[in-house]
Amino acid sequence: DQQVKQNSPSLSVQEGRISILNCDYTNSMFDYFLWYKKYPAEGPTFLISISSIKDKNEDGRFTVFLNKSAKHLSLHIVPSQPGDSAVYFCAASAWLNNNDMRFGAGTRLTVKP
Amino acid sequence: DAGVIQSPRHEVTEMGQEVTLRCKPISGHNSLFWYRQTMMRGLELLIYFNNNVPIDDSGMPEDRFSAKMPNASFSTLKIQPSEPRDSAVYFCASSLGGTRYQPQHFGDGTRLSIL
Repeated sequence: DQQVKQNSPSLSVQEGRISILNCDYTNSMFDYFLWYKKYPAEGPTFLISISSIKDKNEDGRFTVFLNKSAKHLSLHIVPSQPGDSAVYFCAASAWLNNNDMRFGAGTRLTVKP
Repeated sequence: DAGVIQSPRHEVTEMGQEVTLRCKPISGHNSLFWYRQTMMRGLELLIYFNNNVPIDDSGMPEDRFSAKMPNASFSTLKIQPSEPRDSAVYFCASSLGGTRYQPQHFGDGTRLSIL
């Protein structure tokens, strides 16, 4: 069962524009969420996280928004750069299952110069 | 700083053979995770260790899979006997502190192909 869903397998945006990557989850026990970025032939690298006590967390060009009632989160990248081209994974965990992190299938972002 | 080191990077072997994947976590990290990535199922957690002790192996697909962590600097994931459906990229990750609030640091993965 896919408890974390990234319904868009790919996204293409122009350099300088905003990239919005979406993620939905079904498990209401999830209360901590992360985004990872993955380049080809490399492992995922941590990008940004958010706890369910917040609805927004910002780090430079990256902002994550959380809508708990909709069980939805999104990652905004502004402005997008060609180096942001990668696969982005959304992940979630529940306090009951501490280190058991569930990943989405990923969204491939392409930023065109 | 050295990151998580996995070996081999690529493994091609025939069905029925034993496969051993290796991982060296980041020094000082006390949690270690094994993941498998496939097109169909994405990134799945197989097993994780805290302080060298297996905590949750409910993600291990079947008895053909086993994982060990004999010390804080080394872990193995073994498949015996291997089957074509085991073909995937296997990632090892480590984190500090044993809580989910510490981000996991991933190795570059082992691409496994079972013929």
